[in-house]
Amino acid sequence: EAGVAQSPRYKIIEKRQSVAFWCNPISGHATLYWYQQILGQGPKLLIQFQNNGVVDDSQLPKDRFSAERLKGVDSTLKIQPAKLEDSAVYLCASSFGRDGELFFGEGSRLTVL
Amino acid sequence: GEDVEQSLFLSVREGDSSVINCTYTDSSSTYLYWYKQEPGAGLQLLTYIFSNMDMKQDQRLTVLLNKKDKHLSLRIADTQTGDSAIYFCAERGYNQGGKLIFGQGTELSVKP
Repeated sequence: EAGVAQSPRYKIIEKRQSVAFWCNPISGHATLYWYQQILGQGPKLLIQFQNNGVVDDSQLPKDRFSAERLKGVDSTLKIQPAKLEDSAVYLCASSFGRDGELFFGEGSRLTVL
Repeated sequence: GEDVEQSLFLSVREGDSSVINCTYTDSSSTYLYWYKQEPGAGLQLLTYIFSNMDMKQDQRLTVLLNKKDKHLSLRIADTQTGDSAIYFCAERGYNQGGKLIFGQGTELSVKP
């Protein structure tokens, strides 16, 4: 069974530029999560989707971050404009249902210079 | 809000037991999890415990839960160099909609 796929694995940009990350969850998983993991910290939830609807985006900095899951499968996370403090690993996870086990992708590491 | 705390570092010798501790604040936690993260990799679920349990054993792993003190621990028996990684404790509260709250991680270093 294929796991959660994310791309790109690494991205380096300058502040004020924009960046987008893509996630393909495990087939059949209705729930998709984006977590931000800053170096030395635990992952923090940015946004949670159930199919193509948002369940929780309370910690998403909406002035610069946006995410979508238009067809209830793949998802993209965009940052525009990026700040230095956005340097982190962005982890995508999926689960069969809202209470199911979370399966994580390998993450997309962003460096903002 | 909810909070999960862990000590940052633990160093043990190969063959010894490792005990990683975690405290949490959400009294409505339903499940508590232990994840392992190796360098450059995503998070791997090691084990979990339901909040109405005190202990769970899975091969070399033993999870102890003290719900009264909101304290969770992970014991790794016969620790190997391959166990060197960062271990995250996470809790899922009742009606949290699946959201996990993670601790900051404990870096386990196993010396030969």
